[in-house]
Amino acid sequence: SAVISQKPSRDICQRGTSLTIQCQVDSQVTMMFWYRQQPGQSLTLIATANQGSEATYESGFVIDKFPISRPNLTFSTLTVSNMSPEDSSIYLCSVGLRVRYNEQFFGPGTRLTVL
Amino acid sequence: SQQGEEDPQALSIQEGENATMNCSYKTSINNLQWYRQNSGRGLVHLILIRSNEREKHSGRLRVTLDTSKKSSSLLITASRAADTASYFCATDASGANSKLTFGKGITLSVRP
Repeated sequence: SAVISQKPSRDICQRGTSLTIQCQVDSQVTMMFWYRQQPGQSLTLIATANQGSEATYESGFVIDKFPISRPNLTFSTLTVSNMSPEDSSIYLCSVGLRVRYNEQFFGPGTRLTVL
Repeated sequence: SQQGEEDPQALSIQEGENATMNCSYKTSINNLQWYRQNSGRGLVHLILIRSNEREKHSGRLRVTLDTSKKSSSLLITASRAADTASYFCATDASGANSKLTFGKGITLSVRP
């Protein structure tokens, strides 16, 4: 497994602002993912963060709204831009350690509330 | 769209009892994984079962997989209050560029 940390753990933000969430892993990993979990719901994949190239976004998610950086093999950021109350969710990063099995390990999550 | 569908959606049992949770899915898979989430925190990976496996054990956990029925079950034996959490199944679909697709989750409450 890997030790994954996220910052901030929670935040309360005003409508129209942006928040950048950081994800740090204690070892080099090829695959990093960002998920959103809306209140009482399951996880939805936002994008796969690729090192050295643009992130790969899932249907319904766009780079202008959720820009992602992946400057190296241990770090990634997700920005939630121009926030609205509908963006209130838990945002989770995960890493894939056994690529063959797509076995993922998750960070503790960032709980975002937008007023 | 979500592939995995767990049932029941909520389960309440007494400490010491066994808890059985089921997951059904729709397409061919490479593997199926179970995760636990405590109080809206990060997910903890519990167990992975490959498509060519039928049963797997890890401590008090027992997972079965029936690919003909496209279903899996997670059994927690001798449950404890600390097992209270949400449980999700996630499928890794066959094919290139696979990604995990999570079910809606089951809320398990274990009463002391």
